[in-house]
Amino acid sequence: SQQGEEDPQALSIQEGENATMNCSYKTSINNLQWYRQNSGRGLVHLILIRSNEREKHSGRLRVTLDTSKKSSSLLITASRAADTASYFCATDASGGFKTIFGAGTRLFVKA
Amino acid sequence: NAGVTQTPKFQVLKTGQSMTLQCAQDMNHNSMYWYRQDPGMGLRLIYYSASEGTTDKGEVPNGYNVSRLNKREFSLRLESAAPSQTSVYFCAGGTGKPQHFGDGTRLSIL
Repeated sequence: SQQGEEDPQALSIQEGENATMNCSYKTSINNLQWYRQNSGRGLVHLILIRSNEREKHSGRLRVTLDTSKKSSSLLITASRAADTASYFCATDASGGFKTIFGAGTRLFVKA
Repeated sequence: NAGVTQTPKFQVLKTGQSMTLQCAQDMNHNSMYWYRQDPGMGLRLIYYSASEGTTDKGEVPNGYNVSRLNKREFSLRLESAAPSQTSVYFCAGGTGKPQHFGDGTRLSIL
């Protein structure tokens, strides 16, 4: 069963707008990660947030984590056409080797 | 800067044929992983190797075997391919987090 579930499944925005993607998970976690996948390529790690952190920034990316609601959000500000990709959240429970990935959000940024 | 390299990139098999997918990493990662990705789904863990000499089952191990040949190489074998194993297979390496992924092997079984 999937641990992480992203919402929405697909998102289409104009260049320059902000994109927000949400992730919900079911069990306690050590950390939560966000990955990007361009068409035909492997996943690329974007950012990791630990269970004791509430917010983290990296460039145009902002990630929040609410462990009480078992949810996370990824905000991409001032989106660019090059941000067009699928975005996945991934969680690690205690033990750490079995990372569980959600089904992803497909983001399309129109130039 | 090869990172994680998977071979082949594409393969078509007939039902019942066997096949080994190769993965090699030059990032000195202790742990390596095999996932499959199906349309509309996230990655599902098939097998992983926490360190050289060890392997463990993931979420969907049935129909697969793995070998951690050395620290660099982790192979995935389909002994008797079935149409349900048509998928994109990703290998990843990691020491802790995050994981670094190869570009995948697209496998079709007819």
